Amino acid sequence: AQKVTQAQTEISVVEKEDVTLDCVYETRDTTYYLFWYKQPPSGELVFLIRRNSFDEQNEISGRYSWNFQKSTSSFNFTITASQVVDSAVYFCALSVGWTGTASKLTFGTGTRLQVTL
Amino acid sequence: NAGVTQTPKFQVLKTGQSMTLQCAQDMNHEYMSWYRQDPGMGLRLIHYSVGAGITDQGEVPNGYNVSRSTTEDFPLRLLSAAPSQTSVYFCASSYSGTGREQYFGPGTRLTVT
Repeated sequence: AQKVTQAQTEISVVEKEDVTLDCVYETRDTTYYLFWYKQPPSGELVFLIRRNSFDEQNEISGRYSWNFQKSTSSFNFTITASQVVDSAVYFCALSVGWTGTASKLTFGTGTRLQVTL
Repeated sequence: NAGVTQTPKFQVLKTGQSMTLQCAQDMNHEYMSWYRQDPGMGLRLIHYSVGAGITDQGEVPNGYNVSRSTTEDFPLRLLSAAPSQTSVYFCASSYSGTGREQYFGPGTRLTVT
């Protein structure tokens, strides 16, 4: 069975601070995909990034960066110079198996990020 | 493209009532699924479908029924509502295959009294 752990329930930072959201996953499959989704106060789920298990390259997109480390089964998300608009609940999720199987997602419990002025 | 649409946005039911949550997508996605979101528990998979006529259970299927007669629609039926089914329900769709980005609908907030 798969499991995703987001140990940080809630984080509060002041604008312009950097913040890292932790995600630890468990799976016995060697092929898997990791995702981050953002849920702003309006409630919709917004896709941020996908990573497959064969690609450990870190990724940067503007103020967002992701650090994938198979050795520690972690896929952490860093926001640099946080802004009030970053306030949201962030979910890490895992999908396992080969292409062609159902794309079932196992979600973590989410981390609520509050950015204040 | 409207993407993934869900109706209704809000619903209040009495215990024992039945209802259907509607979900439709216009992206010709093969894969559709239903999740429920509860405080402190993230999203949990209820049922999913890999194509018209094919459905399967997820992690928390009890009390829910689904069918997939067309590629576009994937309704979720509550057979006899219980207070434990008070939740926010999200429908999602994607092209088939593990690792595909899933597109989520806006959600339905259901309260069962």
